[in-house]
Amino acid sequence: DGGITQSPKYLFRKEGQNVTLSCEQNLNHDAMYWYRQDPGQGLRLIYYSQIVNDFQKGDIAEGYSVSREKKESFPLTVTSAQKNPTAFYLCATRAQPGETQYFGPGTRLLVL
Amino acid sequence: KQEVTQIPAALSVPEGENLVLNCSFTDSAIYNLQWFRQDPGKGLTSLLLIQSSQREQTSGRLNASLDKSSGRSTLYIAASQPGDSATYLCAVYSGNTPLVFGKGTRLSVIA
Repeated sequence: DGGITQSPKYLFRKEGQNVTLSCEQNLNHDAMYWYRQDPGQGLRLIYYSQIVNDFQKGDIAEGYSVSREKKESFPLTVTSAQKNPTAFYLCATRAQPGETQYFGPGTRLLVL
Repeated sequence: KQEVTQIPAALSVPEGENLVLNCSFTDSAIYNLQWFRQDPGKGLTSLLLIQSSQREQTSGRLNASLDKSSGRSTLYIAASQPGDSATYLCAVYSGNTPLVFGKGTRLSVIA
């Protein structure tokens, strides 16, 4: 972390509800990423953005949406189409290609 | 498609032991490899980044080596301590694509 903020730390979703996870950075990094982590499955890439107003789907984008209107912000919306959203969500940033990638503290999403 | 494997999935050692964690990747055309540490319920912390032109990198009690031709990297931890208990992940960067991660090795150092 250290410059990457994720909120909230815990988030509860009801059936049929859309929820938004926040990721903010003050590192002035160009690239931002969203990962999902499930026990025994490792990190899976949801979406990433290498520049403002542009983003690409990762390996498991279905049921998720993102926006990148500002360099410092990359919010992730978990839509009602995501049928199994319970997981630990991690946001990451990177200054330039090939440089160190930094992670935020994560948000744990639970379904009520 | 690049695949990264970490064996073993879990490891338990007594305090003070030197240990090696393994990471292998299928496509040797990489730019660099990064080792991370993750404590339970926390984000990942970068430990070491090795460029493809380098053979090893050191930080304190940690030493990471890279053999690109054989598709392997090792993370050596000297004189292990209970505070080293965590999950260790490696990730490779192949250029114009996001990092590809292994599933990690969960390390327990017993006092």
